[in-house]
Amino acid sequence: DTAVSQTPKYLVTQMGNDKSIKCEQNLGHDTMYWYKQDSKKFLKIMFSYNNKELIINETVPNRFSPKSPDKAHLNLHINSLELGDSAVYFCASSQDRGPYEQFFGPGTRLTVL
Amino acid sequence: KNQVEQSPQSLIILEGKNCTLQCNYTVSPFSNLRWYKQDTGRGPVSLTIMTFSENTKSNGRYTATLDADTKQSSLHITASQLSDSASYICVLPQGGGNKLTFGTGTQLKVEL
Repeated sequence: DTAVSQTPKYLVTQMGNDKSIKCEQNLGHDTMYWYKQDSKKFLKIMFSYNNKELIINETVPNRFSPKSPDKAHLNLHINSLELGDSAVYFCASSQDRGPYEQFFGPGTRLTVL
Repeated sequence: KNQVEQSPQSLIILEGKNCTLQCNYTVSPFSNLRWYKQDTGRGPVSLTIMTFSENTKSNGRYTATLDADTKQSSLHITASQLSDSASYICVLPQGGGNKLTFGTGTQLKVEL
């Protein structure tokens, strides 16, 4: 009965590699998000998709590319990984109307060596 | 600039004691204010959502208050338990939409 799920939970990789994180929600929500939580535990929005359409795109390097094959899935692909990409990445989803309560996944801890 | 600041940054209390966490915000226009709890190694979980017309809201032992005039909110935890050890984050949406501004968080530790 998992609401928002992410895979993998842990990802350790070398600099320069390309990796993907997958997210799925079974809440029937129309909007999905990717957040980055840095070492100081500060959460920051990266992207948001509504019904497969990009609606929020913060100042994120273009090495990060979200892809939404359908409204229940939002994957994050990262090219040419850098040390500074090490963080915990959270996926979230919400309904398409106020108060837009967001439900978060368990997070993916990415470590770039 | 839309900002959300929380205090204290960290707090240690004994099990069974009460505590109050503070949140000051400058996000405008105001739509609603949320408190999230984030356990170590997990995603944030919503505790309360308060709109402009609500100045207090409870969820079990958690009670949030809102003063929209002074742009302050507090989260009061009653009879703390070890499982309350977590980070508590104050969150406001920008412009009433779905883009959230997160506070700096308060790291709470409840000890025996």
